[in-house]
Amino acid sequence: DQQVKQNSPSLSVQEGRISILNCDYTNSMFDYFLWYKKYPAEGPTFLISISSIKDKNEDGRFTVFLNKSAKHLSLHIVPSQPGDSAVYFCAASVAGGATNKLIFGTGTLLAVQP
Amino acid sequence: ETGVTQSPTHLIKTRGQQVTLRCSSQSGHNTVSWYQQALGQGPQFIFQYYREEENGRGNFPPRFSGLQFPNYSSELNVNALELDDSALYLCASSLNYGYTFGSGTRLTVV
Repeated sequence: DQQVKQNSPSLSVQEGRISILNCDYTNSMFDYFLWYKKYPAEGPTFLISISSIKDKNEDGRFTVFLNKSAKHLSLHIVPSQPGDSAVYFCAASVAGGATNKLIFGTGTLLAVQP
Repeated sequence: ETGVTQSPTHLIKTRGQQVTLRCSSQSGHNTVSWYQQALGQGPQFIFQYYREEENGRGNFPPRFSGLQFPNYSSELNVNALELDDSALYLCASSLNYGYTFGSGTRLTVV
């Protein structure tokens, strides 16, 4: 049972354009969401997060939007840069739970073309 | 301040053998979690340790076990290795909330 889904395995975008990565979840208990970026041979690096009490969080070129009624979140990167090329994982958690373990999606490979 | 360090980086083992993976937490982090990332999948939660006690476990069999030491470093042990155990094993440390991941150990079981 995949509780966090990233239905696009890959995405290709031109440099300078917007990249939109999508994520859906099924567990309504999730109340904290994170995006991680992963380069080959490295561990996931935290990018941005959002609590369920918000619908938007922005940090520089990165913005995460949360639509709780649709159980959907998205990561917008604008403008996209070649260095953004990586695998992006969406993760969800129950904040304040016993373990605050992260449930990850399967990832989206973003390729930003120069 | 050092990040999370994992060793070894790569490992090849034979089916049926046992393996120990090691993780040094980020300074000051008292919680460590282990994740398994199979090819083409996202990381899956194995278990978490807080102050040397296991305080959460994912859907992994008992042959996956762990330890956390007083300095908050950690080990992941896997007994009776199976081919499907081949994966990237990630350690993540945290304090309160916010995980820092290591680069992982790539385990290949042949």
